Amino acid sequence: GAGVSQTPSNKVTEKGKYVELRCDPISGHTALYWYRQSLGQGPEFLIYFQGTGAADDSGLPNDRFFAVRPEGSVSTLKIQRTERGDSAVYLCASSPSGVDTQYFGPGTRLTVL
Amino acid sequence: DQQVKQNSPSLSVQEGRISILNCDYTNSMFDYFLWYKKYPAEGPTFLISISSIKDKNEDGRFTVFLNKSAKHLSLHIVPSQPGDSAVYFCAASGIIQGAQKLVFGQGTRLTINP
Repeated sequence: GAGVSQTPSNKVTEKGKYVELRCDPISGHTALYWYRQSLGQGPEFLIYFQGTGAADDSGLPNDRFFAVRPEGSVSTLKIQRTERGDSAVYLCASSPSGVDTQYFGPGTRLTVL
Repeated sequence: DQQVKQNSPSLSVQEGRISILNCDYTNSMFDYFLWYKKYPAEGPTFLISISSIKDKNEDGRFTVFLNKSAKHLSLHIVPSQPGDSAVYFCAASGIIQGAQKLVFGQGTRLTINP
């Protein structure tokens, strides 16, 4: 079946702009995660959804970052007033219930100029 | 505060030999450990995992060993094949609020030489 998909694959924006990154999880997976991977580092947890609700948003770096999952499937990560330090690969993962193996999408490479 | 550490950024191994990738962790609350493999421009792919109640888990050419007293785990790949060339991430988790929030190491780039 289809894996986790993320769009766009690449996003270039200017400092101060607003961006939205989309994640389509594997069908039927109730748990969805966002991670951020900076160059030379491992993925870093941002936020976790169980169904429609954010069960853990402790990894969001500041209030410029926000994520939603209104229908318990697709999720959107929103970044306001982007800064150059936000440049990274943003990874989405899903799992069947939240205590299973996480399956990752290919990521969105965000570049803030 | 790096809770999961992979101290070797890169490793080069000859095809057919054993590859050993190492990982150390500091948080004794971690109870589940995973290895992910990542090719360029792709997301991490799950490889193998181990629960803290075990000290070894084997799947084909891949074996993960866990030493809880040393807070150390390793991934053995034998025999190594050219397609194993990738970045390998160690990850750890504990059941926090019902979720497996993964904490990753920095990764080790494995190169298998023909």
